[in-house]
Amino acid sequence: GAVVSQHPSRVICKSGTSVKIECRSLDFQATTMFWYRQFPKQSLMLMATSNEGSKATYEQGVEKDKFLINHASLTLSTLTVTSAHPEDSSFYICSARSEGRGAYEQYFGPGTRLTVT
Amino acid sequence: GNSVTQMEGPVTLSEEAFLTINCTYTATGYPSLFWYVQYPGEGLQLLLKATKADDKGSNKGFEATYRKETTSFHLEKGSVQVSDSAVYFCALSVIGGGYQKVTFGTGTKLQVIP
Repeated sequence: GAVVSQHPSRVICKSGTSVKIECRSLDFQATTMFWYRQFPKQSLMLMATSNEGSKATYEQGVEKDKFLINHASLTLSTLTVTSAHPEDSSFYICSARSEGRGAYEQYFGPGTRLTVT
Repeated sequence: GNSVTQMEGPVTLSEEAFLTINCTYTATGYPSLFWYVQYPGEGLQLLLKATKADDKGSNKGFEATYRKETTSFHLEKGSVQVSDSAVYFCALSVIGGGYQKVTFGTGTKLQVIP
């Protein structure tokens, strides 16, 4: 149980275009989903937290107009990178938690590698 | 604020060697502590956790004990295998602003050679 999937696993896009990444909780309802960014050889940096049906809370320094997050249902959150630039190339990981599964654990997706050319 | 400090890698060990990866933390309140593992090209997987002082988390031969007095959560394994080669992240979580927030260490890469 507690499986989180991400789609796509890899995406290459041209500079100036937008790309959408999906995060799904497959066997539980995710009341909260988190989006992280991981730079090479570095730790995960929390970008934003989203609760189903409400606006995402962005961490300091993260442009909310560039990284659009939608948590439309209890099993789906999307991250859209708008007007992508090469510096947006990174590994994006989502995680999800459910109050029913305990307050302290997040379940992570496998990640999406974005390359902007 | 909250922070997690891990020993820098990479750590290179021979198969069947003893492993220790140090982790210390600073946190407000009463954090839960975690070790996550990331295999090449994959996302994070929870390896083990401890939610209160003196708890010991264990999984797949790995262990870590929540030491409040030393604010540490060191990861240990008695005999590593080549398949344990991965990046290991120490993390803590606290409840803040009504939701859980996880802080990760910088990760320690482990290389096990046959």
